Amino acid sequence: AQSVTQLGSHVSVSEGALVLLRCNYSSSVPPYLFWYVQYPNQGLQLLLKYTTGATLVKGINGFEAEFKKSETSFHLTKPSAHMSDAAEYFCAVSGSLNQAGTALIFGKGTTLSVSS
Amino acid sequence: DTGVSQDPRHKITKRGQNVTFRCDPISEHNRLYWYRQTLGQGPEFLTYFQNEAQLEKSRLLSDRFSAERPKGSFSTLEIQRTEQGDSAMYLCASSLEGTYTEAFFGQGTRLTVV
Repeated sequence: AQSVTQLGSHVSVSEGALVLLRCNYSSSVPPYLFWYVQYPNQGLQLLLKYTTGATLVKGINGFEAEFKKSETSFHLTKPSAHMSDAAEYFCAVSGSLNQAGTALIFGKGTTLSVSS
Repeated sequence: DTGVSQDPRHKITKRGQNVTFRCDPISEHNRLYWYRQTLGQGPEFLTYFQNEAQLEKSRLLSDRFSAERPKGSFSTLEIQRTEQGDSAMYLCASSLEGTYTEAFFGQGTRLTVV
């Protein structure tokens, strides 16, 4: 079975500081990993995904994540936080449904607060 | 295309009533997913359609829940005899066919059972 653990339900940073949101996964097969962001009263938006190939993945809004198989981690980072980054962030791993499709297994989320 | 749309955005119902939600996916997407999100949790998978065929249902989807996708276009999720534990955000997502293609989410329907 696959699972995702997000360490820290709430992370607070100052504007301009490094953002680090932690995600560890468990998977019996090579995982496909995702980070989504959810702003209040809105749906989830894909930030970035890792499928195969380069382990450092760049996404939208200056975010990036590195897939580390040995650590079963996929932490999300951004060098300099902006006020507009305040939102809830979800890490997800692809779950296997059948040969035709997949569903996502999400972590519980991390709320990012950015102070000026 | 305006993305995935869900209707209604909010629904308050009395316990024991039936409710139905609608999801209109992105037009060319043949895959459609329903998820449920409760406070403080990430979305949990409920069910999945490939065109009009419902190919997978989570154990979370009790007998009171039913989903349809007639003609492989919009989808409906019905909850019968609602319970307070059904209060949650119900999210719909759609994607193209293919391995691990990006799923686009709607804004969700927030259900409150009183």
